[in-house]
Amino acid sequence: EAGVAQSPRYKIIEKRQSVAFWCNPISGHATLYWYQQILGQGPKLLIQFQNNGVVDDSQLPKDRFSAERLKGVDSTLKIQPAKLEDSAVYLCASSLGGAVDTQYFGPGTRLTVL
Amino acid sequence: AQKVTQAQTEISVVEKEDVTLDCVYETRDTTYYLFWYKQPPSGELVFLIRRNSFDEQNEISGRYSWNFQKSTSSFNFTITASQVVDSAVYFCALTFSGGYNKLIFGAGTRLAVHP
Repeated sequence: EAGVAQSPRYKIIEKRQSVAFWCNPISGHATLYWYQQILGQGPKLLIQFQNNGVVDDSQLPKDRFSAERLKGVDSTLKIQPAKLEDSAVYLCASSLGGAVDTQYFGPGTRLTVL
Repeated sequence: AQKVTQAQTEISVVEKEDVTLDCVYETRDTTYYLFWYKQPPSGELVFLIRRNSFDEQNEISGRYSWNFQKSTSSFNFTITASQVVDSAVYFCALTFSGGYNKLIFGAGTRLAVHP
């Protein structure tokens, strides 16, 4: 079974530029998560989708971050404009969709903002 | 409030030593779930174990074992006879009933196993 796919694996941009990350969850997984992991810290949930609806985006900086999952499968996370403090690894995870399901993670995208 | 504390930032051991990674959690919910994930240098978080709050039985899987104690709000992870391949960052995480499966992670413990 294929795991969670993410691209790109690495991205370097200048501050104030825009960037987008892509995630393809495990087939059949209804729930998709985006986490931000700053160096030396544990991952922090940014946004959670159930199919194509948002369940939780309470920690998403909505003035610059946006995410979508239009067809309930793939998802994109965008940052516009980027700030230095956005340098982090962005992890995508998916789960079956039950109330408490194990989340499976992709390899992440390492973003460096200069 | 929900919180996970991993007080050990880094641990360094020599191969074949046993090592225990500590995890202390806080939650007011009576139904909750605890997880351990491994993050090797490649960056992907690898699921290791999940326990629910009603099952305090310890679990063993090969060289890995977990000790869940509700009395001390701890869910500790022991690696027996450590190997170089065990070198990684290990995260303890918590979710709770009604939390929509949101994982709350500790800061992680970096384990270095030296030959």
